[in-house]
Amino acid sequence: DGGITQSPKYLFRKEGQNVTLSCEQNLNHDAMYWYRQDPGQGLRLIYYSQIVNDFQKGDIAEGYSVSREKKESFPLTVTSAQKNPTAFYLCASRTETASNQPQHFGDGTRLSIL
Amino acid sequence: AQKITQTQPGMFVQEKEAVTLDCTYDTSDPSYGLFWYKQPSSGEMIFLIYQGSYDQQNATEGRYSLNFQKARKSANLVISASQLGDSAMYFCAMREGVNYGQNFVFGPGTRLSVLP
Repeated sequence: DGGITQSPKYLFRKEGQNVTLSCEQNLNHDAMYWYRQDPGQGLRLIYYSQIVNDFQKGDIAEGYSVSREKKESFPLTVTSAQKNPTAFYLCASRTETASNQPQHFGDGTRLSIL
Repeated sequence: AQKITQTQPGMFVQEKEAVTLDCTYDTSDPSYGLFWYKQPSSGEMIFLIYQGSYDQQNATEGRYSLNFQKARKSANLVISASQLGDSAMYFCAMREGVNYGQNFVFGPGTRLSVLP
């Protein structure tokens, strides 16, 4: 079955440590996104990528970095510069062949500070 | 200014009854799309229904329908015959302008609780 796989499901970060969240899709979608969700709130865009080797900052990119070396993969690194990283992180992908196409989401990664 | 407003932080509905979840949006772009997602407690986002700004009819998808009032800039989700499994967070999202995903904006969500 096609879909989006995020790993790990739970992740713990120590002070001063960088951690990387994995996102892989086999839907052949060009566009991929990373969102952050804080408790009881909506989704805020961190980064997005429309094609390989290209990505743009979203509303809250500070303290995060991404890469898009392959169409299928869009890993997110939470750097030590992100002072409040505890949140639920969702990866999404989308085909932009038609305007009615929704984003498809992974199951998310919950990141906590140790 | 908030582009997507969902004024109901929480809603309760009796099983088998219908419920309306409100969504108002703000855009000056004539071309846009509105999406509703369901997020159960497990966290995944499930796409429910889509309404395009140029669509002449309100969207329907099974028990889900959209009450789209373009002049009022509202796109309320109607769930008919509520089931216990409908208990979840519901998010309204908007895609503005040309068909590029970076223009998706999500509302704060409404938590729906279905009572037996």
